Amino acid sequence: EVQLVESGGGLVQPGGSLRLSCAASGFTFSSYWMHWVRQAPGKGLVWVSRINGDGTVTNYADSVKGRFTISRDNAKNTLYLQINSLRAEDTAVYYCARDMYTSGGDWFDPWGQGTLVIVSS
Amino acid sequence: DIVMTQSPDSLAVSLGERATINCKSSQSVLYSSNNKNYLTWYQQKPGQPPKLLIYWASTRDSGVPDRFSGSGSGTDFTLTISSLQADDVAVYYCQQYYSVPITFGQGTRLEIK
Repeated sequence: EVQLVESGGGLVQPGGSLRLSCAASGFTFSSYWMHWVRQAPGKGLVWVSRINGDGTVTNYADSVKGRFTISRDNAKNTLYLQINSLRAEDTAVYYCARDMYTSGGDWFDPWGQGTLVIVSS
Repeated sequence: DIVMTQSPDSLAVSLGERATINCKSSQSVLYSSNNKNYLTWYQQKPGQPPKLLIYWASTRDSGVPDRFSGSGSGTDFTLTISSLQADDVAVYYCQQYYSVPITFGQGTRLEIK
């Protein structure tokens, strides 16, 4: 069964840092583009970042560029999102998601269950 | 960036009636080389991640009931639920994957009237 499980969320003070993880199983992780999408409480879905299979290509939403870093460890089948200089507006559920096909440029399926990040003093 | 705009923001429909959600992109998401629209529809229920319903604007994902259908091309798209069931109460999002940044519509909340 294809599965994505996020972890690493929690309560963090403004200006702090956090590293989110997404453990993948049930598929050849290194072959797929992977994404992070976030959803603030009661709000819509916002794409954050993506990374290709071997980790050599990354893209970011303008709103997080310079503060967020996406990476992956294919030996551990794990996707990461390093979040620095956290702001209140970064409070959200963070989902990892897989591109449907290995070629990239597709819709997202599956999605993980998400991990909640709360930025508050 | 491609801006995705859904209408309406919320919708109340009686059980068994038709529900229609629209999605408009600020530029075409039709890729001319393969004649495919890079447009997806997701359903999201409270406390759950989004669930894939429709891809390539009109192809239903495996296991999705046939009361769900997608249509449209270029910049204008529609998700139709032909006969609303109680289980369809959710927020629906369109998404374009034509170009980065990948963008979503703001969501349409569907309720029972």
